[in-house]
This record gives sequence, structure tokens and C-alpha cells, in this order.
Amino acid sequence: QVQLQESGPGLVKPSQTLSLTCTVSGASVSSGDYYWGWIRQPPGKGLEWIGYLLGSGGTYYNPSLKSRVDISVDTSNNQVSLKLDSVTAADTAMYYCARNPHIAAFDYWGLGTLVTVAS
Amino acid sequence: QSALTQPPSASGSPGQAVTISCTGTSSDVGAHNYVSWYQQRPGKAPKLIISELTKRPSGVPDRFSGSKSGNTASLTVSGLQAEDEADYYCCSYAGGNSVIFGGGTKVTVL
Repeated sequence: QVQLQESGPGLVKPSQTLSLTCTVSGASVSSGDYYWGWIRQPPGKGLEWIGYLLGSGGTYYNPSLKSRVDISVDTSNNQVSLKLDSVTAADTAMYYCARNPHIAAFDYWGLGTLVTVAS
Repeated sequence: QSALTQPPSASGSPGQAVTISCTGTSSDVGAHNYVSWYQQRPGKAPKLIISELTKRPSGVPDRFSGSKSGNTASLTVSGLQAEDEADYYCCSYAGGNSVIFGGGTKVTVL
């Protein structure tokens, strides 16, 4: 059974960097068979794709966030990480990691972690 | 990259069918069949219910079906049940290795 779990600080100050980790069990993040993605959802609003990474190489980002985002993989710990620079209150959201068996299909999701940007 | 357009709400009585539209452009929804749909209940993570326009993952009832006409994809829930009350989101490949979601539709079972 594939499971994903997000972790990281729940509160980040404006202008700082948001850093989250997604720990995966039941599948290998280094496999070339899957993409591993991040999606966010501001309170009371819809879903926004942040980006994803192909386990065997290659990262792809939402053009609107591309200048601030970095997604990377830690194969030794079977984790996928998200960094978002220069955050503002608009980055306050529930952040989800998810597996893509192929493009535009996210079949396994983590429970999500709420990140609030405030001083 | 604007969000795909979904109606904010839809409703139906138990046993009826409800259809949710998802309108994009010839660069995303209209360009291929990489369209997926998600059900999200309050306080929960989204759940994949349709992938590649029409495919239902294992365990998803066959009451859920997907289709497309031109630049508009649709999700139909037949035989509406109380448990189908949730938010529904469409998602499409948008070219250039990017993905775009719809704004979401809240389905109410009357």
C-alpha cells in the first residue's frame, strides 16, 4: 500500500522559505515509473498544481511559481522535498504531495499539511 | 495559465444524475485525453475518481463516468447518493509538462 506523509513547519514568516518533506512508503521515489508532485489549496479555495519531479530525473513547475520553487528527491530516505522562496500571505495553504502514475493523474495523496505565512 | 472553468455548484436528488462541466482551451482539455477528476470531502485529501478522461480506478463506483466534447470535459454522477456530496475538481495536462486544475464544483444532494 502506497502512503505519503507531508511534514514541515506549520508557520513561516513572510519573505522566508517554506520547506516541506513528503515521506513515501510502499513505492520508490527513484523509480522512473512515477512522477511525484506537490499541490496546494488555500483555505476555502481550489487546488493549484505547484510542480512535480520524475523519480529518474526531471522537474517541472507551475509557470506562475517557477521562479520561487524547487522540488528535489532524497533517495536515501525515500522522500520528496518542496522549497518555496520569498513567501507571502498568499502562500498560506494546505500543501499536499501526491504520486502521478502518468501526467495529470494523481492517484495517491498525503493527508496534507497546513502552512500559514504570518509574522 | 488560468484555471479550467467549472460551475461553482451543482445539485440533484438521490437517484438522479448530475453532470459537471470543465471548460478549457484547445491547448489543454481539447488537445488530448489527459483529463482527470477528483472528489474531495470536507477536511480530506482529494481522491482520484477518473483518469485519462474515462478510466475509473479500482474501487470507484461505475456511477462515475467521464466524457469530453471539444474543449469541455464532463463528469457525470448517475444514481446520486448522499455520500456523493463533496467538491469535485477537474485536472488537465496543459502542455509543456504542466498541469492545471479547475476551480471546483460543490455538489449538493438534495
